Amino acid sequence: GENVEQHPSTLSVQEGDSAVIKCTYSDSASNYFPWYKQELGKGPQLIIDIRSNVGEKKDQRIAVTLNKTAKHFSLHITETQPEDSAVYFCAASRKRIGNYKLTFGKGTLLTVNP
Amino acid sequence: DTGVSQNPRHKITKRGQNVTFRCDPISEHNRLYWYRQTLGQGPEFLTYFQNEAQLEKSRLLSDRFSAERPKGSFSTLEIQRTEQGDSAMYLCASSLVEAAGKFFGPGTRLTVL
Repeated sequence: GENVEQHPSTLSVQEGDSAVIKCTYSDSASNYFPWYKQELGKGPQLIIDIRSNVGEKKDQRIAVTLNKTAKHFSLHITETQPEDSAVYFCAASRKRIGNYKLTFGKGTLLTVNP
Repeated sequence: DTGVSQNPRHKITKRGQNVTFRCDPISEHNRLYWYRQTLGQGPEFLTYFQNEAQLEKSRLLSDRFSAERPKGSFSTLEIQRTEQGDSAMYLCASSLVEAAGKFFGPGTRLTVL
């Protein structure tokens, strides 16, 4: 089955700096890569996703890049703000029996210091 | 609020008791998923429904677990004879058919004493 590794496990940055979280996956058939933000006591919130036919996607301060050859993808947050502080999860999946079953990484605790 | 809702938000039970959780997905979403999340880990897939049909179950879903979605709308997840190892956050998510983006609910945190 799919295995997703996520690094780093914790990340502390100063407000206004950039943050980068990296993930690798094992199943070369995976073709959908979402990123979720989870705040304390809440469920994961989808913040951005990318499909395997695209190398990069950007949404305001958030961008995701995908390198299919190396089987890794990254989340980039620019101009970080204290409200960006949360646990971020990457995930990978491929369509199987009509289901995009997500395999998650273990998460990165991002702390943005004012 | 038109998001995914889950009830109860917290459940404390004694080992051996049965518990049932409810998930109400986003109304137009045909797919409904259950995931389990333990402390410090990402969510793990348990099972999913397309309308009322349960199409896939994880090996994590032992015989003590049963999920239903009788009318293709809300879903219930029941755990019989709970064990301390069942303590976790149980997350429900929904999505449109053929769309990969999943929207998660706030979860039900289960504590088994």
